[in-house]
Amino acid sequence: DAGVTQSPTHLIKTRGQHVTLRCSPISGHKSVSWYQQVLGQGPQFIFQYYEKEERGRGNFPDRFSARQFPNYSSELNVNALLLGDSALYLCASSLPTYEQYFGPGTRLTVT
Amino acid sequence: GNSVTQMEGPVTLSEEAFLTINCTYTATGYPSLFWYVQYPGEGLQLLLKATKADDKGSNKGFEATYRKETTSFHLEKGSVQVSDSAVYFCALSESGGGADGLTFGKGTHLIIQP
Repeated sequence: DAGVTQSPTHLIKTRGQHVTLRCSPISGHKSVSWYQQVLGQGPQFIFQYYEKEERGRGNFPDRFSARQFPNYSSELNVNALLLGDSALYLCASSLPTYEQYFGPGTRLTVT
Repeated sequence: GNSVTQMEGPVTLSEEAFLTINCTYTATGYPSLFWYVQYPGEGLQLLLKATKADDKGSNKGFEATYRKETTSFHLEKGSVQVSDSAVYFCALSESGGGADGLTFGKGTHLIIQP
């Protein structure tokens, strides 16, 4: 079975630009979560979506937004990029209340 | 709020040595506890979990016991291999991995030398 997939693998953006990251969950998983992992740190929770509704939000500014589509895939959007947004962005999918399975991540570099 | 504290690395051991990576947590309720492993250039893989006090999670020779009295979930392995070299993250969730997301520690880099 295919695991969680994310695209793109890497991308480079300039300060002030906007970025969209994409995630496809494991088949049958209806919940998707997003995390930011800065180099040398543990992942930080950004959002969780279930059945297209936001169910949880971490301590991130409003520049970060997300949505989930009818096929349960998800997008994470970040506006007005800052240098500090450079990180590995991880997507995880799960069944409700069960453990999360992570994708390989998207490496974002902001210059 | 919730938090997870792990021993800082890197931790360097010889092959076949005994491994302990300490993890303690702070939570307002009764969380589920997890260990994830991250190999270079990859995402996180769930290693083991425990959902209530005194539960022992185990996988691939690794074990961790949920100790509510000491708010700890230390990771152990009796004989490590070079292939165990990776970064290990302790994490908790108040809702079993659900809506509140996972709270992670900073990670412990484990290096196993042949």
